[in-house]
Amino acid sequence: AQSVSQHNHHVILSEAASLELGCNYSYGGTVNLFWYVQYPGQHLQLLLKYFSGDPLVKGIKGFEAEFIKSKFSFNLRKPSVQWSDTAEYFCAVNEGAAGNKLTFGGGTRVLVKP
Amino acid sequence: SAVISQKPSRDICQRGTSLTIQCQVDSQVTMMFWYRQQPGQSLTLIATANQGSEATYESGFVIDKFPISRPNLTFSTLTVSNMSPEDSSIYLCSVPGQGRGYTFGSGTRLTVV
Repeated sequence: AQSVSQHNHHVILSEAASLELGCNYSYGGTVNLFWYVQYPGQHLQLLLKYFSGDPLVKGIKGFEAEFIKSKFSFNLRKPSVQWSDTAEYFCAVNEGAAGNKLTFGGGTRVLVKP
Repeated sequence: SAVISQKPSRDICQRGTSLTIQCQVDSQVTMMFWYRQQPGQSLTLIATANQGSEATYESGFVIDKFPISRPNLTFSTLTVSNMSPEDSSIYLCSVPGQGRGYTFGSGTRLTVV
């Protein structure tokens, strides 16, 4: 069965620091990859997604992610975080065809200190 | 993208009772997904609801505990039956959106006392 691993459960950093969150998945076939964010008390929002093409994907709020097929990874990055980036971040993957179910990673709680 | 109306947004229920959660989508969709997010945890897929057929449940989830209805292409319900405090979670529905993305409902925060 498909699995998604996020390496860090909690990350604490200061404003203006750079952020990188790791995500690895287990499926060897065609995948679609997503990063979602959940701000405190709010519902899930899509940050970015990768389906095909350029493996470097740019999303909202200055986030980007790089798909490295050989490493089965889709790491999320932001060069300079803000206090408002405090949230929980979820990596998610689905297999092959559009509309298939999403499998989520365990999530990473990010706390940005002002 | 589709817009999902999910209700109730929250509820506090007595153990042993059941709660039915509704999701209404503003467009027709073939598949709807039901997820659970336990406190401090990630999202776990409960089942996939296809219109006109039985829902497909993931390992660890059974129809007797989480019966699902899918009467048409815009609506689905999830019932949490015979609730216990361990069922306290956020329950979300989701549908495939445009461009192979997904849209999520705002969630139902359930507390079982």
